[in-house]
Amino acid sequence: DIRMTQSPASLSASLGETVNIECLASEDIYSDLAWYQQKPGKSPQLLIYNANSLQNGVPSRFSGSGSGTQYSLKINSLQSEDVATYFCQQYNNYPYTFGAGTKLELK
Amino acid sequence: EVQLVESGGGLVQPGSSLKLSCVASGFTFSNYGMNWIRQAPKKGLEWIALIYYDSSNKYYADSVKGRFTISRDNSKNTLYLEMNSLRSEDTAMYYCAKSGAIGLFDYWGQGVMVTVSS
Repeated sequence: DIRMTQSPASLSASLGETVNIECLASEDIYSDLAWYQQKPGKSPQLLIYNANSLQNGVPSRFSGSGSGTQYSLKINSLQSEDVATYFCQQYNNYPYTFGAGTKLELK
Repeated sequence: EVQLVESGGGLVQPGSSLKLSCVASGFTFSNYGMNWIRQAPKKGLEWIALIYYDSSNKYYADSVKGRFTISRDNSKNTLYLEMNSLRSEDTAMYYCAKSGAIGLFDYWGQGVMVTVSS
């Protein structure tokens, strides 16, 4: 199985700040990488797919980048509604696997 | 508006069985693959099963292979997960999720809780 290692596990940032979350795959996943946001008590929502494509309706302050085994999610100008846990997920191979998540809180 | 509504969860004893359902609306159900994904309390996400739009292919995580069966009824816009030989480690919130493209989960249900405990 492809292991997805996310860092950091938790993050505290101020409103308006830029935040970066990293995701490392145990092998090349050829940009078959998605990012999800899960707010407390809610189901996850797709933010980014194909490593850098923004899902319809997702604010443009979210962006994704990376290739090979290394990927990142960037949130510009952090808003209060961005408080959530973020997960990366690979879909290059079965079984599809997720990172352990990054919990983002406001400082 | 896409809606996915799961049902059928509950508290069951180890070794027992349970069948989850997910009723879909707001899209042409028969055109899309569907998935089950679970999340143990305070834990991460685990994809457990995928069924193609026409039921021609089914894939499972090793953790549930041989115990769980994914199926669908396109005439009823409904996805199912039949779970047998349940274990305490199967305790989780179970989500059904639509495949936007293979491997992507573009819409999720609200989830249904399954607790396996004696």
